[in-house]
Amino acid sequence: GIQVEQSPPDLILQEGANSTLRCNFSDSVNNLQWFHQNPWGQLINLFYIPSGTKQNGRLSATTVATERYSLLYISSSQTTDSGVYFCAVVDSGAGSYQLTFGKGTKLSVIP
Amino acid sequence: GAGVSQSPSNKVTEKGKDVELRCDPISGHTALYWYRQSLGQGLEFLIYFQGNSAPDKSGLPSDRFSAERTGGSVSTLTIQRTQQEDSAVYLCASSFTGGTGELFFGEGSRLTVL
Repeated sequence: GIQVEQSPPDLILQEGANSTLRCNFSDSVNNLQWFHQNPWGQLINLFYIPSGTKQNGRLSATTVATERYSLLYISSSQTTDSGVYFCAVVDSGAGSYQLTFGKGTKLSVIP
Repeated sequence: GAGVSQSPSNKVTEKGKDVELRCDPISGHTALYWYRQSLGQGLEFLIYFQGNSAPDKSGLPSDRFSAERTGGSVSTLTIQRTQQEDSAVYLCASSFTGGTGELFFGEGSRLTVL
């Protein structure tokens, strides 16, 4: 099955700093999502981005499908950005529908 | 409702008991997924429902696990004769179209087996 690797596994930032999280995947995809899992365990949708670039406030994401990676940018980080960021993909094989998750990047933003 | 609704939010049970977890997907979503997240781990696929098609049960870890979806809407995940290793957060997600569509997750049901 498709492999999803996220880096770095852990990241500590000072409040106000910027960061880039990376997601590499081993096969072509027709669905890629970024989620933020907050300290209460809720998975919050950040981006649905199988290709291209999107921005939402301080967050933006870019997926280069031909090179099999996606990047999540966090600018001017805040303590509320802390949590685990997951990348998840569905490979583009016929009939595929299972969202496969990476192991996540644990972000800690300190004041 | 506006989002995916799961109940109960927390369940503590004794080893050997049966438990039922419920998921009410977003209205109009035809695809429904169950995932499991053990402490400090990633998300593990359990089962997938799409419309009236036969579900994909390939992720269920043992025959103690089963799930059904009635009327193409509400789903129930049942765990029989619970074991301590079943302790986890069980997450339900729904999507308008399945594979290519955006998935939305509920808040999860945290199961603790004593």
